[in-house]
Order: sequence, then structure tokens, then C-alpha cells
Amino acid sequence: GDSVTQMEGPVTLSEEAFLTINCTYTATGYPSLFWYVQYPGEGLQLLLKATKADDKGSNKGFEATYRKETTSFHLEKGSVQVSDSAVYFCALSDFGGANSKLTFGKGITLSVRP
Amino acid sequence: GAGVSQTPSNKVTEKGKYVELRCDPISGHTALYWYRQSLGQGPEFLIYFQGTGAADDSGLPNDRFFAVRPEGSVSTLKIQRTERGDSAVYLCASSLGVGQTGYTFGSGTRLTVV
Repeated sequence: GDSVTQMEGPVTLSEEAFLTINCTYTATGYPSLFWYVQYPGEGLQLLLKATKADDKGSNKGFEATYRKETTSFHLEKGSVQVSDSAVYFCALSDFGGANSKLTFGKGITLSVRP
Repeated sequence: GAGVSQTPSNKVTEKGKYVELRCDPISGHTALYWYRQSLGQGPEFLIYFQGTGAADDSGLPNDRFFAVRPEGSVSTLKIQRTERGDSAVYLCASSLGVGQTGYTFGSGTRLTVV
């Protein structure tokens, strides 16, 4: 079945540091890929998405590129801010099939120090 | 409404009791999803509805769990004979239709079974 693997956390960075959060996936079809973010006390929010190979999703300074050859969708940001402190989830969905569910990774907690 | 509303936000119940969790989706969203998030894990799919019908209930863990959406809007997740292992945050999401990537999640109901 479909699965998503995220790097182990938590991650603690200083403000303005470079961020990479690794995500790899296993899927039988051609999934769409997502990054969701959960800020403290808030619900899950879509951060960015990519629907086909080589697409780059971007939002709020974050980027991720859909790499079919390495089955990866790593999240990057050039300069993190304290306000980026949150839990980040990588997810996939095979919208091409009859099932519209999202399959999530375990999530990783990012803490950014001033 | 403006967002997906879930009630109650917190529920504490005794082992063996019956509970109902409510989800009020965004007006006009025909697809509705339930997920369960255990501590330290990503959300896990339970069931989704397209309109009034359950299009996929493959994620429901056993027959103690049941969900309805009688009028194609509000949904209720029902758990019978609760067990301590049912303790988790139950998330609801809605979207314009199956296959749409624009999920909106609610803030969840934190269920604690004591």
C-alpha cells in the first residue's frame, strides 16, 4: 500500500538557518504530493503541493520538488523564522484512483530559536 | 460556515461508554473526511463521504466505529464501547468534491478514554 516516510525529529534551528526536511514515498500509481503544517493550537493547513513529476510547489518561502526518480518530496526553506515553528507533515494522495484519502507521514516538529 | 467546525473540542469519557463526534463542513463542500491522529503520529484515514454516502470506509478500525452524514452536510462519527486505545485527536476535513486537492481541516476533537 501507499506510505510516506519522514526523517526523524525534532529539528531545532536558529533563526535564518537553512531548512531541509526529508520525505520519501511509496505508491502504486502516480500520486499527488503535499506538505501540511500544524501551528501550535491550530488545525492542519496545506502548505504546498505538487501533482506531477518535476513540479515544484512553493508557499511562504518554502519549496518542494516532486522527484519521481528518487520518490522524494523534500521540503526546503532558505531562511527560517521563529514563526515557522510548527509540526510539518508530508502526505500523498492517489487522486487518479477511486480513493481520495491522504496518506500522511509521522510528522516532524520544527523549533526555531531567535 | 467559514471553516470546518468540530464539536466538542475535547471529550473525556469512561471506558465502555458511547461517544459522538460532530463535524460541520464548509458550506457547499460535498466531500467530507474523517481522520484519527494518535500522539506522535500523522493523521490516519478513517472514512470519507461524497454527499450522503460513505464512498470509502476502509480505514474504520472495527465495527465499534460508525459514521453518518444523513443530509450531505453535517457528519457524526460514532464510537461504541470505547476503549483506552481509542484516545486520539479525531480530525474532520472537507473539500469541494472527491479528487479535489483543496482539503480544509477542522481543529479536531481530542478524545480521552479513561
